[in-house]
Amino acid sequence: EAGVTQSPTHLIKTRGQQATLRCSPISGHTSVYWYQQALGLGLQFLLWYDEGEERNRGNFPPRFSGRQFPNYSSELNVNALELEDSALYLCASSSRGLSNQPQHFGDGTRLSIL
Amino acid sequence: AQKITQTQPGMFVQEKEAVTLDCTYDTSDPSYGLFWYKQPSSGEMIFLIYQGSYDQQNATEGRYSLNFQKARKSANLVISASQLGDSAMYFCAMREGSSNSGGSNYKLTFGKGTLLTVNP
Repeated sequence: EAGVTQSPTHLIKTRGQQATLRCSPISGHTSVYWYQQALGLGLQFLLWYDEGEERNRGNFPPRFSGRQFPNYSSELNVNALELEDSALYLCASSSRGLSNQPQHFGDGTRLSIL
Repeated sequence: AQKITQTQPGMFVQEKEAVTLDCTYDTSDPSYGLFWYKQPSSGEMIFLIYQGSYDQQNATEGRYSLNFQKARKSANLVISASQLGDSAMYFCAMREGSSNSGGSNYKLTFGKGTLLTVNP
């Protein structure tokens, strides 16, 4: 069974640009979560998508947005990039319905802002 | 107040010995779940073990066990017979609420992590 896949592995951008990160969940999982792991700040919850809808959002500005496609894959878009957006962005997926289901993570996209 | 507290920024253990990584949590929700993840230097997050708030017994998964003390709100991870490959960052995480409550809190809240180094 294929795990959660994220692309690209690395992404280098400059301030003010826009970045698009992609995530494919484990087959059969309908929920996709995005987390930001910045140096010194730990893992912060960004967004949760399920069945194509945004279900929950963390404390991030509106320039962080995303969507979930009919095949349950997801995109995270970050507009007007700032230096502090440099971080590892992790995507996770789970099957919805039982709260004891773990979230399975991808290898992440390392976003560097120059 | 922090919801998940991991008080040990770094821990060292000798190969083949056991080690306990501490985690305390704060929630007023009667239904919650606690997870431990391992993050090697390569960056991927690996799920290790889960403990539900209503589970009567401590969770175990191979060499991993969870010392769950509900009254003290602690969920310490115990790794037995440490191996060199156990060297990594370890995160404790909590999910509050349940699917019966509408599932609006399916996000995970993470602690800051403990860096475990296993010495040969």
